[in-house]
Amino acid sequence: QLVLTQSPSASASLGTSVKLTCTLSSGHYNYAIAWHQQQPEKGPRHLMKLNSDGSHTKGDGIPDRFSGSSSGAERYLTISSLQSEDEADYYCQTWGTGIAVFGGGTKLTVL
Amino acid sequence: EVQLVESGGGLVQPGRSLRLSCAASGFTFGDYAMHWVRQAPGKGLEWVSGINWNSATIDYADSVKGRFTISRDNAKKSLYLQMNSLRAEDTALYYCAKGIRFFDWLLDSWGQGTLVTVSS
Repeated sequence: QLVLTQSPSASASLGTSVKLTCTLSSGHYNYAIAWHQQQPEKGPRHLMKLNSDGSHTKGDGIPDRFSGSSSGAERYLTISSLQSEDEADYYCQTWGTGIAVFGGGTKLTVL
Repeated sequence: EVQLVESGGGLVQPGRSLRLSCAASGFTFGDYAMHWVRQAPGKGLEWVSGINWNSATIDYADSVKGRFTISRDNAKKSLYLQMNSLRAEDTALYYCAKGIRFFDWLLDSWGQGTLVTVSS
C-alpha cells in the first residue's frame, strides 16, 4: 500500500535552515513526489517536483531558498535562511495505480 | 499565469446533491490532467478525484466512489465535480488542481477553493 509519512511538526529559528522529510512506503522507493506549501488561511502552493535521484523542478516564483533531495525512501525539502512567511504546513504528494496520495503534512514553526 | 477558480460550494442537507465547477485560464487546459482535492476543517489534504486530458482515465478516492462524478469540458476550459448523496463527512474546502505535464497525477497548480458544508 502506497503511504507517505511525514512528521507532524518541526521548528527552526529565523535565518537558519530546516530539512523536512517525507518517507515512501516499502516498494515505492523509486517514486517521484511533489512538495506543496500551505500558509495559514491560504490555498496550497506547489513548491517542486522531486525525483528519486534528487533532481527537482521548482514551481514558478519559488525562491532559491527552497531545495529538494532524495535518499532511498526519503524525500527531503530543505528551506534555508528561514523567514517568517515560511511558517506553514508542508505536504508531500505522489501517485499510484488509480490514486493520488498526500502525506499527513508537517507544520513548520519559525521561532 | 495559471488561474483556477472554483465555484458552486454552499450549504446542503445530507443526502442532497451539489455540482462544483472550476474555470481554468493561463494554460492549454486540454493538454493537462485535472483533479479535485479537499480539506476538512483543521485537517490535511485529501485527494478526491482525477481526470486525464481526454477523460479516458478517471479515478476516485474510495471515500467518494459511486457518489461523486468528475468531468471536464475542454472547449469551455472547465472542470466539474458532481456530488450526490452528500454526507456530513464531505464537509470541506474543495480545491481544483492541475496535473504536471507527463506526470498527470502529480499536482502543480491550485485554486483558492470553494467551501461545501453538509448539514441539516
